[in-house]
Amino acid sequence: NAGVMQNPRHLVRRRGQEARLRCSPMKGHSHVYWYRQLPEEGLKFMVYLQKENIIDESGMPKERFSAEFPKEGPSILRIQQVVRGDSAAYFCASSPFPDRGSNQPQHFGDGTRLSIL
Amino acid sequence: GNSVTQMEGPVTLSEEAFLTINCTYTATGYPSLFWYVQYPGEGLQLLLKATKADDKGSNKGFEATYRKETTSFHLEKGSVQVSDSAVYFCALKAAGNKLTFGGGTRVLVKP
Repeated sequence: NAGVMQNPRHLVRRRGQEARLRCSPMKGHSHVYWYRQLPEEGLKFMVYLQKENIIDESGMPKERFSAEFPKEGPSILRIQQVVRGDSAAYFCASSPFPDRGSNQPQHFGDGTRLSIL
Repeated sequence: GNSVTQMEGPVTLSEEAFLTINCTYTATGYPSLFWYVQYPGEGLQLLLKATKADDKGSNKGFEATYRKETTSFHLEKGSVQVSDSAVYFCALKAAGNKLTFGGGTRVLVKP
């Protein structure tokens, strides 16, 4: 199955530590999106990346959060100095070739559930 | 900005009952509309989509029609099964590629 792969599935960190979440898009997909889902809420857009470029980071918190999608390897969402409020499920999605008419669906991974102690 | 509003759950039904989940949206331009389903502990799966007014998306017995005049995309299924128990998300995508989601509606189907 060549779906969107996220790891780890579950991640536990203590306050002040760093969290790194990885996402490998579907084969042939060059666009990656990160979303955050707080408990009992819908998903909120964080950032949209192409290879080596951040296209839209309007949903990213201004501090402690960063994302990259290098030429080789998975996309990484990095959270520095985590706090309790960062506890959430983080989902990655990917889509193929450049959007034409907003009708290309995004395919989601199973998410990383981040718990902050 | 863009927004999606869907009915709050949980919605509890008996098997073979009729399901409707209301979804309305606010968007600039002409968005594409989607329904995603999330089973416990999993990611979102695309259920159906519609890209222009009056389009009907359908899959696995579920249907939704893009109604521009009422800015709605209500999800329906004529006869639900226990396996349809999940959280359903309505979403839109306008220019810029990012999805805007509703808050989700939890559906519980009892045998």
